[in-house]
Amino acid sequence: DVKVTQSSRYLVKRTGEKVFLECVQDMDHENMFWYRQDPGLGLRLIYFSYDVKMKEKGDIPEGYSVSREKKERFSLILESASTNQTSMYLCASSYLSGYTFGSGTRLTVV
Amino acid sequence: GQQVMQIPQYQHVQEGEDFTTYCNSSTTLSNIQWYKQRPGGHPVFLIQLVKSGEVKKQKRLTFQFGEAKKNSSLHITATQTTDVGTYFCAGPRGGNEKLTFGTGTRLTIIP
Repeated sequence: DVKVTQSSRYLVKRTGEKVFLECVQDMDHENMFWYRQDPGLGLRLIYFSYDVKMKEKGDIPEGYSVSREKKERFSLILESASTNQTSMYLCASSYLSGYTFGSGTRLTVV
Repeated sequence: GQQVMQIPQYQHVQEGEDFTTYCNSSTTLSNIQWYKQRPGGHPVFLIQLVKSGEVKKQKRLTFQFGEAKKNSSLHITATQTTDVGTYFCAGPRGGNEKLTFGTGTRLTIIP
């Protein structure tokens, strides 16, 4: 089975901190995605990557950046965390079929 | 842009009753995917439908893709407590397997 691993299940950070969320997949998938999930707003795409060093903005990229230096790893970076970035962050990977999601990182910015 | 809506937003059913959630896209879809997210969990891929009018079954779950490929439904027969969760549909948007997720239907079961 494809496994997508997110480094932290829960994270608490202070406003203004630079935050790194890590995601690793073990099935050589080309495509990787970062979504955030908020009550009433569903799943919203932040960024995605379709190859190493290739990335494209999703629907809500403001305040975020990403890095994909190796095929298996896709990192989401909050340049300067703000309270409105408190959310559940979900990483996913795919190749020709449905997404495999990681367990998610619940980030709280205080 | 593309919108994918689901109804109802919430559904409470007695255990053993049937449940249906409906998904409607503002654009024609090449395929539709369904996911289930248990409370406190992450979305898990259930199935993908590709053909117009396609019907697929997984035990008590029946998935349907509309003839016009703009709508889909998920029907669960004789719900069980293990069916609790939020069901999302998702349709492709552009290339590279990007998806637009529906708003989700949260199913709760009354024992």
